[in-house]
Amino acid sequence: AQRVTQPEKLLSVFKGAPVELKCNYSYSGSPELFWYVQYSRQRLQLLLRHISRESIKGFTADLNKGETSFHLKKPFAQEEDSAMYYCALSAGGYQKVTFGTGTKLQVIP
Amino acid sequence: GAVVSQHPSWVICKSGTSVKIECRSLDFQATTMFWYRQFPKQSLMLMATSNEGSKATYEQGVEKDKFLINHASLTLSTLTVTSAHPEDSSFYICSATGSFRGTAYEQYFGPGTRLTVT
Repeated sequence: AQRVTQPEKLLSVFKGAPVELKCNYSYSGSPELFWYVQYSRQRLQLLLRHISRESIKGFTADLNKGETSFHLKKPFAQEEDSAMYYCALSAGGYQKVTFGTGTKLQVIP
Repeated sequence: GAVVSQHPSWVICKSGTSVKIECRSLDFQATTMFWYRQFPKQSLMLMATSNEGSKATYEQGVEKDKFLINHASLTLSTLTVTSAHPEDSSFYICSATGSFRGTAYEQYFGPGTRLTVT
């Protein structure tokens, strides 16, 4: 079974402070991991995926298979980063995506 | 980026009636579409996976006779909530998977439909 755990419902940081949103997963095969973001009153959108290994809006995430984690990081938080962030897992291809419960990031000016 | 639309964006219906929600991929062909349900301040819960021309695959606990899914073309999937009850009130979100302009496949999400059953 696929399972994604995001232990924090809310994370508050000051502007300019580092951000780390935690994500752990459970999957027996080789998963694809994603981070999705939902800004206020907007639809869900892909932030980044582990296979592309790219940085989007200053965010990065490294897949750690040993710890089964895919934490999202950003060195300096900005106010516009305030949003709901969802970690997600897929078996790949056109397979279904399982979402974590989400973490609300609040960047305090 | 690719656009997925949903119609209607919100709907209010009386208990016992049926409601149809449309999900369209506007500028790409969606091999697979997914239907999610989101309760307030909760995550997205997958209801079913819909492939064009075949029957939908429902997640455990989702009543297929209550939530009818039709994926008639590569750009349109519909979710019909039959005999709706107040507990069906929720935010329904669809997503479509496909390659947009030759880019790697990705799930593109619709804006969601707010259903309120009175």
